Amino acid sequence: NAGVTQTPKFQVLKTGQSMTLQCAQDMNHEYMSWYRQDPGMGLRLIHYSVGAGITDQGEVPNGYNVSRSTTEDFPLRLLSAAPSQTSVYFCASTRMGLGTEAFFGQGTRLTVV
Amino acid sequence: DAKTTQPPSMDCAEGRAANLPCNHSTISGNEYVYWYRQIHSQGPQYIIHGLKNNETNEMASLIITEDRKSSTLILPHATLRDTAVYYCIVRVNRDDKIIFGKGTRLHILP
Repeated sequence: NAGVTQTPKFQVLKTGQSMTLQCAQDMNHEYMSWYRQDPGMGLRLIHYSVGAGITDQGEVPNGYNVSRSTTEDFPLRLLSAAPSQTSVYFCASTRMGLGTEAFFGQGTRLTVV
Repeated sequence: DAKTTQPPSMDCAEGRAANLPCNHSTISGNEYVYWYRQIHSQGPQYIIHGLKNNETNEMASLIITEDRKSSTLILPHATLRDTAVYYCIVRVNRDDKIIFGKGTRLHILP
């Protein structure tokens, strides 16, 4: 059971480039989300999804797009990378409803130069 | 914004119980309290959650006050491997967003 898998683990981008961070889970969880964590800070919610075809904005959505075409996958797209998007990105998934734990991926460390 | 307040840091001697407090004075009746921890820069790890009653599992105990406005996570015998940032989260029930606050950085002292 792989849990939540994020790829790539590390990435360096030039300013203005675009890329997609991948997140996949094999637990049939309805809820998936993306966070960013800047050095010495807590996790901030970027976007989340409560099921295939449904996405919503979190605390810091600007500069990021998401889509949810399947239950398993929730990719995060950076349309035009900026140095301010240098961060560690975490994906999480959980079953819907209260009283359920969330599972996190191991993160993608992104540097924008 | 996060609905919880935690001290920014705490120290605990190795082998002693670590008691981490959390205030969630605006919690509503069917919101759960969750605790996660993050070791170094790994992905957060679930520890425990509860609604009204105290809970215990192999990792920790969770004590929730009767008015549910605060809770305490207890690590009964802290080890150096428990050094981490601990996050207390109240789950927003209408859309299941999980919002992290700043957490408590726990230092276990040898």
